[in-house]
Amino acid sequence: QLQLQESGPGLVKPSETLSLTCTVSGGSINSSSYYWGWIRQPPGKGLEWIGSVFYGGNSYYNPSLKSRVSISVDTSKIQFSLRLSSVTATDTAVYYCASMVITSQYFFDYWGQGTLVTVSS
Amino acid sequence: SYELTQPPSVSVSPGQTASITCSGDKLGDKYACWYQQKPGQSPVVVIYQDTKRPSGIPERFSGSNSGNTATLTISGTQAMDEAEYYCQAWDSSTVVFGGGTKLTVL
Repeated sequence: QLQLQESGPGLVKPSETLSLTCTVSGGSINSSSYYWGWIRQPPGKGLEWIGSVFYGGNSYYNPSLKSRVSISVDTSKIQFSLRLSSVTATDTAVYYCASMVITSQYFFDYWGQGTLVTVSS
Repeated sequence: SYELTQPPSVSVSPGQTASITCSGDKLGDKYACWYQQKPGQSPVVVIYQDTKRPSGIPERFSGSNSGNTATLTISGTQAMDEAEYYCQAWDSSTVVFGGGTKLTVL
């Protein structure tokens, strides 16, 4: 069973870049059955997909965030990472990493516990 | 961009059947899935590929998808089912979530 764990700073200043890492265990990050994704949830609000990446490098991004987002995979570290640039207070949210099944429907079957990132000076 | 619309809230009495809808243009032509999220916890998928239940999800959870509407049905609703529920689909190479429905069991 896959396990995912987010890590990274809990506080980021406005205009700076938010960087988070997700460590995968219990399975292979090189799997052809998965993309690896990031989803966020502002306090008291709903889920917003940020983007998903395949271990081979192909990626999909939310069009509303695409200009500021980069997601990459480091197979040697069994990790994938999120970078979100030029953050503002509206980027304050709980950020989740998750495994996205692609063998049938595209959906997220395993999620990390989430990490709260606050954008504030 | 594609949108999925859910009612903000649904109420149900214990033991009764709860139905939560998710509407989107020709949603029945795509696969829909449903997540349950309890306060302070990560979402958990309860239905995927319209009707399939992951292992460990109780049989009282079922799903359907036709036309423009996907529906999550919880039969014999229990107090532990009180949670936020989100639908999700894949459209034009993007993941789309519904806005969420708060299920209250009272």
